Amino acid sequence: EAQVTQNPRYLITVTGKKLTVTCSQNMNHEYMSWYRQDPGLGLRQIYYSMNVEVTDKGDVPEGYKVSRKEKRNFPLILESPSPNQTSLYFCASSQHRLSYEQYFGPGTRLTVT
Amino acid sequence: GQQLNQSPQSMFIQEGEDVSMNCTSSSIFNTWLWYKQDPGEGPVLLIALYKAGELTSNGRLTAQFGITRKDSFLNISASIPSDVGIYFCAGGPNRKLIWGLGTSLAVNP
Repeated sequence: EAQVTQNPRYLITVTGKKLTVTCSQNMNHEYMSWYRQDPGLGLRQIYYSMNVEVTDKGDVPEGYKVSRKEKRNFPLILESPSPNQTSLYFCASSQHRLSYEQYFGPGTRLTVT
Repeated sequence: GQQLNQSPQSMFIQEGEDVSMNCTSSSIFNTWLWYKQDPGEGPVLLIALYKAGELTSNGRLTAQFGITRKDSFLNISASIPSDVGIYFCAGGPNRKLIWGLGTSLAVNP
């Protein structure tokens, strides 16, 4: 089954404790991205990757890092999480950078206390 | 970043009713997309529109790419309880997607 998977689905952590949210897709998609979803603010792009070893900032990249060492994986790293990073995070992928149609993962709900 | 004006913000309807929602942009778009997000899940693509005036259906859903290229509409006919969720429009003048804030739909059986 074609899908985007994220882990963990739920995470509660404390300020400053480094964490990684994994994302993997099995569709051989070139383009992957991370979004955060907050009430009243909608979906905002954090980082995106057009292909292996190619990443770029989205609209709200501060406090986040990403890497794209393999085509299928695109982990999101929070080196020192803060409470304002409490949010619902989605990974998405699309066939290539010229494709608008994105496929989303199930989401990761992160709470930073 | 730039956001779309999506309306209404929320709707509460009776099962069987038709639903209409729309999105407007201040600039011309080349693409409009409509997604649905079920509670606890990620958005799922419903319909993609690539041409001004285009009218596309997906089951009971119909979406249109406005002639002015600054708006799009989504209609749901004969709503059922599983239509509950948040509907997002997205689009852009270039490859970077701009997202609406969503229309939350509740259906009373």
